[in-house]
Amino acid sequence: EAQVTQNPRYLITVTGKKLTVTCSQNMNHEYMSWYRQDPGLGLRQIYYSMNVEVTDKGDVPEGYKVSRKEKRNFPLILESPSPNQTSLYFCASSPLAGGGNEQFFGPGTRLTVL
Amino acid sequence: ILNVEQSPQSLHVQEGDSTNFTCSFPSSNFYALHWYRWETAKSPEALFVMTLNGDEKKKGRISATLNTKEGYSYLYIKGSQPEDSATYLCASSGSGYALNFGKGTSLLVTP
Repeated sequence: EAQVTQNPRYLITVTGKKLTVTCSQNMNHEYMSWYRQDPGLGLRQIYYSMNVEVTDKGDVPEGYKVSRKEKRNFPLILESPSPNQTSLYFCASSPLAGGGNEQFFGPGTRLTVL
Repeated sequence: ILNVEQSPQSLHVQEGDSTNFTCSFPSSNFYALHWYRWETAKSPEALFVMTLNGDEKKKGRISATLNTKEGYSYLYIKGSQPEDSATYLCASSGSGYALNFGKGTSLLVTP
């Protein structure tokens, strides 16, 4: 089944404890992206990747890192999480880079930072 | 318009009613307009991607139109059903690689 998977789905952690949220897609998509969803706000892009070893900042990259060593994986790293990073995170992929391609979303990761 | 704006913020209709929502987006440097359907506890799913002025797309009872000159898109649902209850997200893209999302319209359809 073609899909985008994220792990973990739920995570409660404490300030300063490094964490990684994994994202994997099995559709051989070139483009992958991370978003965060907060109440009253639209989905905001954190980072995106147009292909292996090519990443760039979105609208809200502060406090996050990403890597794209393989085409299928695009992990989101929080080196020192803070309470303002409590949010619902979505990973998404699309066949090609460029805004004309629909994005396929993962199931979301709900992160709470205490 | 600098951001993508959606209206109304929420909508409550009866089963069988037809409804429509609006998405306004920056018309300069426009490349594509996306509509996504997001059900509670699930992930957003693409409904339509439109690029040309005057585009109209349809999927079952749901259709969408696009006006790139004035920077708006309408989403229509004909004969709403309870299973249509969801948040409908609109997003626009320019020549870059980012999608700018609106805050969504939350639709509740009651029997």
